[in-house]
Order: sequence, then structure tokens, then C-alpha cells
Amino acid sequence: DAMVIQNPRYQVTQFGKPVTLSCSQTLNHNVMYWYQQKSSQAPKLLFHYYDKDFNNEADTPDNFQSRRPNTSFCFLDIRSPGLGDAAMYLCATSRDFSAPLDYEQYFGPGTRLTVT
Amino acid sequence: GQQVMQIPQYQHVQEGEDFTTYCNSSTTLSNIQWYKQRPGGHPVFLIQLVKSGEVKKQKRLTFQFGEAKKNSSLHITATQTTDVGTYFCAVDSWGKLQFGAGTQVVVTP
Repeated sequence: DAMVIQNPRYQVTQFGKPVTLSCSQTLNHNVMYWYQQKSSQAPKLLFHYYDKDFNNEADTPDNFQSRRPNTSFCFLDIRSPGLGDAAMYLCATSRDFSAPLDYEQYFGPGTRLTVT
Repeated sequence: GQQVMQIPQYQHVQEGEDFTTYCNSSTTLSNIQWYKQRPGGHPVFLIQLVKSGEVKKQKRLTFQFGEAKKNSSLHITATQTTDVGTYFCAVDSWGKLQFGAGTQVVVTP
């Protein structure tokens, strides 16, 4: 089945130790997103890629970076995790957002990040 | 960006009862999407509304978009334990979703 896959599902890292979360999709969608979701809060968009074009949200800390080496894969790098970065990180895709029927976002299962 | 206020924050429902969650904005919305997130799960797309006064139904779920396109509602009839979760409304602006705070629904048998 076509899907959005995130690895690992659970990640523990130490304060200040760089960590990378990965996302892959078999949907062949143009757009990939990274969201941060803290407990009992709504998902918050960090950035997205439209094909190879990277779009950063204005309030996304510089500590967060992303790479999309090809259509299928997207990575979230946290250069120096702080305790406040502990959260669920959700990857999502959409086919496009310029066509009326291509707006739906498909979310992966998420990676829960713990910072010790 | 367009922001939405979602109420109530929590909803305790007895199985078999109906409930409604609301999404309100001070500005006219171009569209509204609804997502459901089960406990421990990820958001799952339910529906998108784009037209003034639009009403869409999915089995026991009824979605409405206000005439002025400033509010939306999700009404669930005959609540079941499978309806447990958090329901988010979200506004899509060129692919970027601005989520409401969500309504967390707890169903008691």
C-alpha cells in the first residue's frame, strides 16, 4: 500500500547531540512537510518542500534543518536538541496544492523524540 | 495567516449521544479541512469544505461551512467508542495548514 513511513518511531537523544529523523513516501507526491506536535497541542508546521524548493516557516528555529535528496525521502535534522524540542515529529505529503483536488495531506505515524 | 479558534477544547460524550465541535474565524476563510487524530496516532484527513453554506456528510459525521465562510462545524450523531480522538479543523493556504487547537473527545460507554 502506498504510504508515508517514518523512522525511527521513537528516538532518544542527549541534550545537544545532533539527531536526524527520516521520512519516506511511496505516494510519489510533490510536497513533503515536517510538523512538530507537542503534547495536547495541534501540529505546527516547521517547513515544507515543493519538489526541491525548500520553504521555511518564519518562526522555525535555525536549529532545525531539512534535506530532500529525492522525491521519496525527506530528513529532519536537529543540530543541537534542547529539552524543549522533545515532541512528536510528523511528516506529511500532498500531491500538490495548486490543483483543487490535490490538497489532502497524508501524515506518517510520527517519530516521538525524547531529549535527555 | 488565517487563524481559527476551535471550541470546545474537551468534549465528554456518553455513547449514543450527539455532539458538535466548532471552528470560528474573524476573517473569511478560503477553505476548511477537518482531521481526526486518534490517541497515539497521526492526523487523518476527513474532509475539505470550500463553498459558502456547504454541507457534507460521512455516515454519522456532518460537516458544515458557514454562509459567511467564517465558521465551520462537525456534528457527530450517535457517538461510538471509535469516535474517540482529537478533531482538528485546519485552514489550507497554498498547501500550508494552520490548525485549530483541536477538540479532544472522550466517549464513555
